Amino acid sequence: GAGVSQTPSNKVTEKGKYVELRCDPISGHTALYWYRQSLGQGPEFLIYFQGTGAADDSGLPNDRFFAVRPEGSVSTLKIQRTERGDSAVYLCASSLGVSGSEAFFGQGTRLTVV
Amino acid sequence: GENVEQHPSTLSVQEGDSAVIKCTYSDSASNYFPWYKQELGKRPQLIIDIRSNVGEKKDQRIAVTLNKTAKHFSLHITETQPEDSAVYFCAASKPGGYNKLIFGAGTRLAVHP
Repeated sequence: GAGVSQTPSNKVTEKGKYVELRCDPISGHTALYWYRQSLGQGPEFLIYFQGTGAADDSGLPNDRFFAVRPEGSVSTLKIQRTERGDSAVYLCASSLGVSGSEAFFGQGTRLTVV
Repeated sequence: GENVEQHPSTLSVQEGDSAVIKCTYSDSASNYFPWYKQELGKRPQLIIDIRSNVGEKKDQRIAVTLNKTAKHFSLHITETQPEDSAVYFCAASKPGGYNKLIFGAGTRLAVHP
C-alpha cells in the first residue's frame, strides 16, 4: 500500500465492551508504533514493535491495553473493558527499524466510548 | 523520562509574515527532533527534522534550529501562506535503534489572508 492504513476510521462502543483496532504498516517497515492522541494534545507513545515482538510497551496505560503483531506486519491494538477515558484518536506509525528514521503515521482510529 | 514543552499554544499571523514555534526538551540524550504538521482530521506529516550533530536545517520556507546546550529547538516558517494553517508538533527521541517520539502539546497556527 501507499501508506499506513488503519481500520476502522471511527469506532463507537459502549463502556465495558472490548474493541480491536487494526494497523497495516508500510511494506518493509519493521518498526511499528501505537500512539494515542487526546483532543488538543500531542500524540502519546503507547507501544513499539520491532518485527513481531513488543520491544517497548512502557506507554500502555494499564493491563486493559494489549497489542500484537504476530507476523511482523499487521498489528492489532486491543482494549478490554473500555472506559470513557479511553476515548481518543489512536494513531499507528511505521518506520524503518533504525533510530532517526521517519515515522509515517496512519489516519488514526477515532474511538468514542459512550 | 523525556519531557517536551512547546510554545506558543496558538499563533496567529498575517499572510507573508514569519512564524516561529519553540520547543524545549529535558533529556540531554535526545538526538533526533522532527516536526510534524497536522491538518484538521488528518494524519501528522513530517515536514522537517534535525539531528543533534547539526545546528540548523532549511527546506525552502521552513527551517529548524537546534541549541543542544540550552536543550531547545525552533521551527521557522517564512512567507507564510493560508495553507500553512494547521497544528504543528515538535518531538524528540533518543538513540536506541527506534523512534520513541515524545511530542509537545502542539501549536495551532492560523495564517490570515
